[in-house]
Amino acid sequence: DAGVIQSPRHEVTEMGQEVTLRCKPISGHNSLFWYRQTMMRGLELLIYFNNNVPIDDSGMPEDRFSAKMPNASFSTLKIQPSEPRDSAVYFCASSLSHGELFFGEGSRLTVL
Amino acid sequence: AQSVSQHNHHVILSEAASLELGCNYSYGGTVNLFWYVQYPGQHLQLLLKYFSGDPLVKGIKGFEAEFIKSKFSFNLRKPSVQWSDTAEYFCAVSPGGSYIPTFGRGTSLIVHP
Repeated sequence: DAGVIQSPRHEVTEMGQEVTLRCKPISGHNSLFWYRQTMMRGLELLIYFNNNVPIDDSGMPEDRFSAKMPNASFSTLKIQPSEPRDSAVYFCASSLSHGELFFGEGSRLTVL
Repeated sequence: AQSVSQHNHHVILSEAASLELGCNYSYGGTVNLFWYVQYPGQHLQLLLKYFSGDPLVKGIKGFEAEFIKSKFSFNLRKPSVQWSDTAEYFCAVSPGGSYIPTFGRGTSLIVHP
């Protein structure tokens, strides 16, 4: 079975550039999460969608970050403009309502 | 807001040693509890979970965890670790009825052969 698919796996960009991370959740899952992992702050929830609707975006750091889920099989996390402190591994995860999360491989972002 | 504390940030063991990783949470109501593992360079995957019933939960690869409600704890245990258990371990908690888990900071486990 296909798991959660994220792209790109690695992204190196320069400060000020736009970054778009993509996620395809597991088919049939109705919840989607974006997490950011850093050494300093651990695993932080950025935003949570349920049935394609953003439910909790309180973890989105600032207006430079935006996330969309236009349909049940696709989500994007966009950073514009990017800054060096955005460097992290970004994980997408999906689940059914029982709460067990299935994570993607992550997108490692480096902003120079 | 709920919080999850993992008191052991780094643990180093030799093979065959016993393991116990602590996890405490701050939430007074019904909770769903999880342990996830992240092997080097890989994504997080579920080790075990507790929703209700027997507070002693058995997971994959010989891991188990015990939910002690009075102590707000969900400690992870393994009687004999292997080199392949080297990984980062995350405890996560979500209030019953909510499916947004809060993760602890993680515990890095290194097992020497």
